[in-house]
Amino acid sequence: ETGVTQTPRHLVMGMTNKKSLKCEQHLGHNAMYWYKQSAKKPLELMFVYNFKEQTENNSVPSRFSPECPNSSHLFLHLHTLQPEDSALYLCASSQDNPTSGLSYEQYFGPGTRLTVT
Amino acid sequence: SQKIEQNSEALNIQEGKTATLTCNYTNYSPAYLQWYRQDPGRGPVFLLLIRENEKEKRKERLKVTFDTTLKQSLFHITASQPADSATYLCALAVPSGGSYIPTFGRGTSLIVHP
Repeated sequence: ETGVTQTPRHLVMGMTNKKSLKCEQHLGHNAMYWYKQSAKKPLELMFVYNFKEQTENNSVPSRFSPECPNSSHLFLHLHTLQPEDSALYLCASSQDNPTSGLSYEQYFGPGTRLTVT
Repeated sequence: SQKIEQNSEALNIQEGKTATLTCNYTNYSPAYLQWYRQDPGRGPVFLLLIRENEKEKRKERLKVTFDTTLKQSLFHITASQPADSATYLCALAVPSGGSYIPTFGRGTSLIVHP
């Protein structure tokens, strides 16, 4: 079992709903990530937080809104989603080297299976 | 932008044989390359990391090679077992704004038959 937990594990929501995904890491890492994984597609990086600051936002639609209140917790707030947003949403953490900028192995949570109806 | 290619067709092998998976990339060489295992409905699990100045890395039955000239990494599982059946993902560290962001391939499915 990894040191990264995600809740809920499954979520079904309508297009007008507002929901939030939660991620918590117990590994003392300083970087956290949100990925989207759709069938037959590579993992798509959505957001990166290093030292609690957002450092990457890969042109993600504004209906996805991340929040990182501290280095152990990460949220993904969802509103007015579309059916094509249905996917597995994965959270990950890593320990970044602040000097080199390198981050090494990532530890993933089990994911939230999201279905938008 | 960096493009990562992994064989989209599943690799079927017999138990006991060596499985070899390929990861090819375009453009610049990454600072390091990683391999992950993913089981259905679960998050990827880190297996091995190899740096740009390393040719080979081993861990138990696993071996990774890194050829920056060919822009290719090979991932080997020796004495394969049915429990090794999973999807294997290759990830490259891509420079971005002063840091390095892992970029993943779509993965190759390995099926080991008893």
